[in-house]
Amino acid sequence: AQKVTQAQTEISVVEKEDVTLDCVYETRDTTYYLFWYKQPPSGELVFLIRRNSFDEQNEISGRYSWNFQKSTSSFNFTITASQVVDSAVYFCAHSGQTGANNLFFGTGTRLTVIP
Amino acid sequence: GAVVSQHPSRVICKSGTSVKIECRSLDFQATTMFWYRQFPKKSLMLMATSNEGSKATYEQGVEKDKFLINHASLTLSTLTVTSAHPEDSSFYICSARAPTGVDEQFFGPGTRLTVL
Repeated sequence: AQKVTQAQTEISVVEKEDVTLDCVYETRDTTYYLFWYKQPPSGELVFLIRRNSFDEQNEISGRYSWNFQKSTSSFNFTITASQVVDSAVYFCAHSGQTGANNLFFGTGTRLTVIP
Repeated sequence: GAVVSQHPSRVICKSGTSVKIECRSLDFQATTMFWYRQFPKKSLMLMATSNEGSKATYEQGVEKDKFLINHASLTLSTLTVTSAHPEDSSFYICSARAPTGVDEQFFGPGTRLTVL
């Protein structure tokens, strides 16, 4: 069975600090996808990244970076030089076999960036 | 491209009434749509998988007679909360599987239901 654990329920940082959001997953699938979504106060889910299980390369997109470690079943997300607009709930999610299957979400991490 | 809409965005209803939420894929055909539910400050939980032209597949613990799902066309799935009660108050989000060859799903903006 799939399981996604986000141990950090809430994090507060001061603007311009770096912050890492942790995600640990469990799966029996040999092929799977991992995702990060941002949910601002308005509620809509904003897609951030998708990573398949065969691609362990880290990725950087602007201030965002992701570290996928298959050996530890982790897919951590780092925001560099955080901004107030980064305040949101961030969800890590898992999808088996293909990225278009139903998603299993972690419990989310609420990030508050203090100006 | 790949836009999914939901209507209404917010609805307030009295206990005992039924509420219909629409999920539309605006610029692509979606043979499969998913319905998720999110309680305040909680994660998203999959309720059901909606397949065009067939019965929805419900997750364990989700009452299919309570949450009626209809996927009558390739661009529209509806979720009807029947005889709503205050405990049904929640944020309902749909997603649509992208067209064949695109390995992704796209989320709607969500519908906030409040049952008084």
